[in-house]
Amino acid sequence: QKEVEQNSGPLSVPEGAIASLNCTYSDRGSQSFFWYRQYSGKSPELIMFIYSNGDKEDGRFTAQLNKASQYVSLLIRDSQPSDSATYLCAVTSNSNSGYALNFGKGTSLLVTP
Amino acid sequence: EAQVTQNPRYLITVTGKKLTVTCSQNMNHEYMSWYRQDPGLGLRQIYYSMNVEVTDKGDVPEGYKVSRKEKRNFPLILESPSPNQTSLYFCASSKTLGVQYFGPGTRLLVL
Repeated sequence: QKEVEQNSGPLSVPEGAIASLNCTYSDRGSQSFFWYRQYSGKSPELIMFIYSNGDKEDGRFTAQLNKASQYVSLLIRDSQPSDSATYLCAVTSNSNSGYALNFGKGTSLLVTP
Repeated sequence: EAQVTQNPRYLITVTGKKLTVTCSQNMNHEYMSWYRQDPGLGLRQIYYSMNVEVTDKGDVPEGYKVSRKEKRNFPLILESPSPNQTSLYFCASSKTLGVQYFGPGTRLLVL
């Protein structure tokens, strides 16, 4: 079983601060990494993906990947109360007939005004 | 509007009564998948399909069946539901693995 680990939280940050969400994975052959956001009672939605080592920035979001350490993170700058949600890390892995997508259990983020 | 639809959205049933949850996408995506989400266990993949007539087991396939006879549809079948299949179910589709569009979810209660 391919493992994707996240701290369940809740992670509480004040409005305007940087929120740092972390994820580790067990399959060294994983090639693609994704961050999804899920509001309570809603379906997950993709916010970032990253394939190469280093940083990838999109607005207030930055994804960071370190394949040697099997570690991927998501930074949210200038956090807003509307960012309060559960953030799911997802990682592709090989299976017998192709690729599967494995999710972590998610980190709950609370941004306080 | 590009979307993934699931029906029904809410379902209460009894143990052993066969049921089907439908999933349909209008984006011409090759890849479709079913997940269940349970408190403390996160989102777990049940089955996925990389194209018509191609399906594979995910992490928790026991007690479920799927079929992919058309590109747009990927129904989830519970032949004999049991209370441990009470959960929130999501269907998802994507053109490339990972960039998935999720349906609105189906809440299932098996008594």
